[in-house]
Amino acid sequence: EVQLVESGGGLVQPGGSLRLSCGVSGFTVTSNYMSWVRQAPGKGLEWVSAIYSGGGTYYADSVKGRFTISRDYSKNTLYLQMNSLRPEDTAVYYCARLFEYNSLPVDLWGRGTLVTVSS
Amino acid sequence: DIQMTQSPSSLSASVGDKVTITCQASQDIRNFLNWYQQKPGKAPKLLIYDASTLETGVPSRFSGSGSGTDFTLTISSLQPEDFATYYCQQYDKTFGQGTRLEIK
Repeated sequence: EVQLVESGGGLVQPGGSLRLSCGVSGFTVTSNYMSWVRQAPGKGLEWVSAIYSGGGTYYADSVKGRFTISRDYSKNTLYLQMNSLRPEDTAVYYCARLFEYNSLPVDLWGRGTLVTVSS
Repeated sequence: DIQMTQSPSSLSASVGDKVTITCQASQDIRNFLNWYQQKPGKAPKLLIYDASTLETGVPSRFSGSGSGTDFTLTISSLQPEDFATYYCQQYDKTFGQGTRLEIK
């Protein structure tokens, strides 16, 4: 079955770190364009980061220098390392696969994992 | 950075109505525009990509149009399951702020 399963969310203090994982089934993580999208409670969607099949990585200005996207072929897993966390990073984080066509839409979403940054 | 502005932010309509949601980009994005539907507690669902191409399995009452900076999502005849929040997205990056479609 083709699916994405996020894990690693939880409660963390401001300034702390967390690593999110996205287990991939049914396709190879390194052969696809992948992304992280977040949604703060009661708010809209916000693109966070992307990694393309060639290895190029991209970040929203709001997380640049603090978050790092990566992937592991042997574990078929996508990661998001989040450092220097702030209360405004509190959100559900979705793992997403991009359809490699012109506008690069997300054609597969995970269920999300909640990250809460609070003291 | 490219900004995406959706309007309206919320909309009340009845089953059977035709509704249109607009999305404006702060600069020319050609046709690199996607539309998603999201229901409470669920991940978003892709409706339309490349501004006007219907994703497989999406009902034909949904349609998209536009290019450059101005885009529209149209639902020709609202069904009960269409009441949700809709987002546009430019390329694989910036999302609009969302349009909440509610039952009148």
